[in-house]
Amino acid sequence: EDKVVQSPLSLVVHEGDTVTLNCSYEVTNFRSLLWYKQEKKAPTFLFMLTSSGIEKKSGRLSSILDKKELSSILNITATQTGDSAIYLCAEAASGTYKYIFGTGTRLKVLA
Amino acid sequence: DTGVSQDPRHKITKRGQNVTFRCDPISEHNRLYWYRQTLGQGPEFLTYFQNEAQLEKSRLLSDRFSAERPKGSFSTLEIQRTEQGDSAMYLCASSGNEAFFGQGTRLTVV
Repeated sequence: EDKVVQSPLSLVVHEGDTVTLNCSYEVTNFRSLLWYKQEKKAPTFLFMLTSSGIEKKSGRLSSILDKKELSSILNITATQTGDSAIYLCAEAASGTYKYIFGTGTRLKVLA
Repeated sequence: DTGVSQDPRHKITKRGQNVTFRCDPISEHNRLYWYRQTLGQGPEFLTYFQNEAQLEKSRLLSDRFSAERPKGSFSTLEIQRTEQGDSAMYLCASSGNEAFFGQGTRLTVV
């Protein structure tokens, strides 16, 4: 069964800090990896990484896929209190469109 | 329609009752997913459809759960004879390439 593991489980930083969140996956035939931000309600989409798109950036957020290490990182620079949320990673194997999620990293940014 | 819509947003039901949730996906998306999320956990896959065909269903899904997408547009998720362990957030998502989630239906079984 495919598996996604995220670390750390939780993280507390101060505004302005840079954070790196980790996601590792075990999948027979990798197709894509997605990152989501979840505040109080539903997850909101951040990035999708594939073999043809291993690095994405949007503002202060960026993500890189390492297919050799079967992992991905999500970087957030100059953190703000509004970045406080749970960050979820999900992967899908080739041949299916089912996404398997990790348990998430809970990030708290202090003013 | 700019997003995935779920109804109701909250549902409180007595143990043993049946409940049905509805999901309206983003109109151009042909894949639709149902997930369940409990506190401190990531979304757990339940099932997904491509158009009207239910292509995959979690082995964890008991026979009390059934989902339909009759015309390849909206979908319903029914839980029969609800149990307290069914209390969770039920999330629907739809996708073209990326999957986008609705706001969820929070079910409380008392």
